[in-house]
Amino acid sequence: SQQGEEDPQALSIQEGENATMNCSYKTSINNLQWYRQNSGRGLVHLILIRSNEREKHSGRLRVTLDTSKKSSSLLITASRAADTASYFCATGFYNQGGKLIFGQGTELSVKP
Amino acid sequence: DTAVSQTPKYLVTQMGNDKSIKCEQNLGHDTMYWYKQDSKKFLKIMFSYNNKELIINETVPNRFSPKSPDKAHLNLHINSLELGDSAVYFCASSYTEGAEAFFGQGTRLTVV
Repeated sequence: SQQGEEDPQALSIQEGENATMNCSYKTSINNLQWYRQNSGRGLVHLILIRSNEREKHSGRLRVTLDTSKKSSSLLITASRAADTASYFCATGFYNQGGKLIFGQGTELSVKP
Repeated sequence: DTAVSQTPKYLVTQMGNDKSIKCEQNLGHDTMYWYKQDSKKFLKIMFSYNNKELIINETVPNRFSPKSPDKAHLNLHINSLELGDSAVYFCASSYTEGAEAFFGQGTRLTVV
C-alpha cells in the first residue's frame, strides 16, 4: 500500500518565491528521501534525512523530519523556473530489501 | 558516462507479445531495483536484487521475470503483455539497501 501522502498535489508560484511541500507517512522508517522528476525523465535524488535527524540543508533545499508526527517537509527557497518538476518523498528501510515507498508527488510550477 | 542506463527508452508492442528491458549500472552498487510508474505518476517497487540475488518480489505477476547475470545488470522480461502493463518502468541502483537510489531514464512501455 502507498506509504506517503504529499500535500499539496500541485503548487504554482512565481520565480523568487519559496515553495513548501509536505509529506506524511504511516510506519516507522529508517530514512526519508526527496526526489525530483522532470517531465519525461528519471528521478533525481535530492536529499536524504535519517530518522534520528530533524533538519537538513543542501543548497536552496531545507528538509525537516518529525518522526512523532510521521511527517516531513521540503522547502525550496528563491525558486527558479528550472525548479519546475514533480517532487516525491520516499520512505527508506534498511532491512526490507532497500525498497523505497513513494508518495504520489507534488507538481511544482515556477513561473518566470 | 550514464550511471544507470536502460534500453529501450520507448517500447510499443501488441498484446500477447514478450519483451525485455535491459538495465546496467556502472556505479559499483550492490543493490538494483525495478519500479513501475503508472499514468498518475505513482511509483511502486516491483523487484529488489542484492548482489544478483532476489530480495523483494512485490506481488508482481509471474509474467514479469527479472534476471541479474551479474551485479551490474538487472534485466526485466515480460511475457504475454497485457494492456494494463502500459507504464513507465524505471531501473535504479543504490550502494546498499535503503540508501539513496540512482534511477535510469525510464522505459515507456505501450501495449496496444
